[in-house]
Amino acid sequence: GQQLNQSPQSMFIQEGEDVSMNCTSSSIFNTWLWYKQDPGEGPVLLIALYKAGELTSNGRLTAQFGITRKDSFLNISASIPSDVGIYFCAGQLKGGSEKLVFGKGTKLTVNP
Amino acid sequence: DAGVTQSPTHLIKTRGQQVTLRCSPKSGHDTVSWYQQALGQGPQFIFQYYEEEERQRGNFPDRFSGHQFPNYSSELNVNALLLGDSALYLCASSPGLAGNIQYFGAGTRLSVL
Repeated sequence: GQQLNQSPQSMFIQEGEDVSMNCTSSSIFNTWLWYKQDPGEGPVLLIALYKAGELTSNGRLTAQFGITRKDSFLNISASIPSDVGIYFCAGQLKGGSEKLVFGKGTKLTVNP
Repeated sequence: DAGVTQSPTHLIKTRGQQVTLRCSPKSGHDTVSWYQQALGQGPQFIFQYYEEEERQRGNFPDRFSGHQFPNYSSELNVNALLLGDSALYLCASSPGLAGNIQYFGAGTRLSVL
């Protein structure tokens, strides 16, 4: 099935460090979303982006919708232990409740 | 306000059997989507239900079928189970076809032996 290219696959960082991850696609998306999944749980929405070039923050998280509409970035500043988890990017070719196309995820480990 | 609830949480089946998974959407949501998440992968879209009809379908065989009830809850059925069907099955709900925020349940872990 179709998937987005998400990198890096995993990251090991020290508490307090900043984190960056990105997602690219060969297709243009109209909506980009970032989710976090903890073990045994479903994905939880972190940030939704609706316009090319849009930069949106949610606390220590900042995400950008690439101007080409084919990529998106997520940054986490001053990481803390509870940031541990798997981060997924997801895109929608159209808007509304159209299906989400997911990346393979970035597994984040934060060492205290 | 209950979120998206799925049952059962875990299930073990053998090859060739059939399975039914259940989902209750978040209050106020009428659109339900199902995703399959294999180990180490991102979720893959299976299909979506709105007004008791299948509106979109991903690249899954006909062994995967679903249903939506008048109260918006939904079932996912998988026939003739294969080992490769072992995965976490996620249900997501959203408010209508124009509502683009999908809220996920905790999923059903299906193991096929």
